[in-house]
Amino acid sequence: DAKTTQPNSMESNEEEPVHLPCNHSTISGTDYIHWYRQLPSQGPEYVIHGLTSNVNNRMASLAIAEDRKSSTLILHRATLRDAAVYYCILRRFGNEKLTFGTGTRLTIIP
Amino acid sequence: GAVVSQHPSRVICKSGTSVKIECRSLDFQATTMFWYRQFPKQSLMLMATSNEGSKATYEQGVEKDKFLINHASLTLSTLTVTSAHPEDSSFYICSARAGAGTEAFFGQGTRLTVV
Repeated sequence: DAKTTQPNSMESNEEEPVHLPCNHSTISGTDYIHWYRQLPSQGPEYVIHGLTSNVNNRMASLAIAEDRKSSTLILHRATLRDAAVYYCILRRFGNEKLTFGTGTRLTIIP
Repeated sequence: GAVVSQHPSRVICKSGTSVKIECRSLDFQATTMFWYRQFPKQSLMLMATSNEGSKATYEQGVEKDKFLINHASLTLSTLTVTSAHPEDSSFYICSARAGAGTEAFFGQGTRLTVV
């Protein structure tokens, strides 16, 4: 599967929007973009996923670049409970595995 | 979302003994389950993939005789760490998928400490 690149860490103020970037310049046409997050001492939690179009759900929005070589996870209004490591993962259609990179550690400042 | 439950959440065992970790999908049938290991301040590393009723597929470098995986039913997979050593101390996490192309849901993890 193609690799993703994320910043090691980011900080954001509480109640402000957060934009978490992910670069995936070697993405193929059948790679889905998945985002998971992991709170301290817990298993990962599904956030959102998409293929080509932007996606919205109750947790977040996923903005996918037109060339699909990058994407951005948007938390519209960060709370302290959003402090976690966020993983951007590419999963090729037909491959059931998720390969985790190092992710972005998001710190929320009260 | 769907619920995946792991048990126990933490366990301490003596070196040389074996410990079993259970992973259950509570409200869906999991055709495929995955086992990960996570060392402190590191990312999750996939250990093996198990499909109900068949042998698990292990990732390169993971000893299948040391980490026994059983996926006997559509709602239960177990990971047994045999002859545990202190270097096996880690956070073990399972995930389950209802079917091809569906989302993976993760258990809360099991922290294993071998003393």
